[in-house]
This record gives sequence, structure tokens and C-alpha cells, in this order.
Amino acid sequence: NAGVTQTPKFRILKIGQSMTLQCTQDMNHNYMYWYRQDPGMGLKLIYYSVGAGITDKGEVPNGYNVSRSTTEDFPLRLELAAPSQTSVYFCASSYRNAGNQPQHFGDGTRLSIL
Amino acid sequence: GESVGLHLPTLSVQEGDNSIINCAYSNSASDYFIWYKQESGKGPQFIIDIRSNMDKRQGQRVTVLLNKTVKHLSLQIAATQPGDSAVYFCAENSTPGNTGFQKLVFGTGTRLLVSP
Repeated sequence: NAGVTQTPKFRILKIGQSMTLQCTQDMNHNYMYWYRQDPGMGLKLIYYSVGAGITDKGEVPNGYNVSRSTTEDFPLRLELAAPSQTSVYFCASSYRNAGNQPQHFGDGTRLSIL
Repeated sequence: GESVGLHLPTLSVQEGDNSIINCAYSNSASDYFIWYKQESGKGPQFIIDIRSNMDKRQGQRVTVLLNKTVKHLSLQIAATQPGDSAVYFCAENSTPGNTGFQKLVFGTGTRLLVSP
């Protein structure tokens, strides 16, 4: 099993550009999550999904959008990139609710907005 | 507000020593706690978890201790090896809103440096 796979690994964007961060998992997990990790900070939840077709906002959703058309895929969309979105983005998944079992993480996408 | 914090941002130990990484949490309603290890350039990797009905849980070379009275969590690593060098995060669960969804609240991390 590949687990959670994120692409791309690195990306540089100009202010105002848009892009989609891809995330796919092969563990048949119902729950999927997007986090951002800023230097010296803990992971902050951007969006989450409890199953195909169902998504909801986390702590820091502004400037992002998500969709969940299949169990496997949970892409994160940045519509108008801003310098404040420079960060490392992690996708994670779990079979049940994150509050009572471990999440499995991808290796992240390092995004710089210049 | 809720927060999960760490007492020591960096811990330096010698190979073979035992390491103890500490974590304070503020939400007395949290009933699930978890430790992750993050190596440079990688995503967080699950180490061990514990539920609030326990005060100790052991894994392979790792032990997690939970003290609910003082809201303190610790990770003990026995016979620390250079491969243990990484940032270690604790997290607690939290139930925001009325949907029943539980999220994890992560601490800022402690860097463990193991010298040969």
C-alpha cells in the first residue's frame, strides 16, 4: 500500500495564481483532512471530509476550497494565491473520526508564494 | 482557549540514554491523546496513543504516560538511537461545534537531537 500520496512535493507560485494540491489514499479511509504547517507552529486544520460528497471547514479555511468526489481523492484548491499561504501542506486520512484513532499523513507539499 | 504545549523546544541526549518529552494540555474534556514523530522533509508518523481511561501505555521502546490531574502527557523513549532524532508532536482530541466531529489539536513540537 502506498498510504497517503501528495503531489506535487514542491511548488512556487506567483501572487494571484491558482493551483490544486492533490491527495489520494489507498486505504479505503472515510475521513480525510488538509492541514498547513507553518515554521515553529503546530498543524492547523484547513478542511476535512467525512466521506465522498461531504466536506466541512476546519480552523483556517479562508482562501481554500476542497472537493471529495471519490473516497480516494481529496484535492485542495487555492484560487488566488497570497504570500500568507506560503506553508507546508499535509493531507491525512483515517478510517473513523480523528478524535479517537490515528491519522495517516502524506509527506507534504511545500508551497511558496512570491 | 484550547492549547497543547510543550515544555522544552529542543532536547539533546546521548545515544543509549532514555529520553522524556513532555506536553501540557488545557482541555480537561479531551479523552484521546497521540504522539507523532516528524523527520525532516516527511509527514508526521504515528508513534503511540492513549485514551483517558488509562494512565500508561507501552509500545516498542516507547511509553506514554498520562496524568489527568495536572493535564500532562509525556513520551518516554528507551535506549535512544540516532534514528530517533526528529520533531515530536503531541495532540489531543477536541469536539468543536455540534456536528460530533472530533479534531486533533497539535502542539508546536519538541526537537530531539541524539548524539552518537
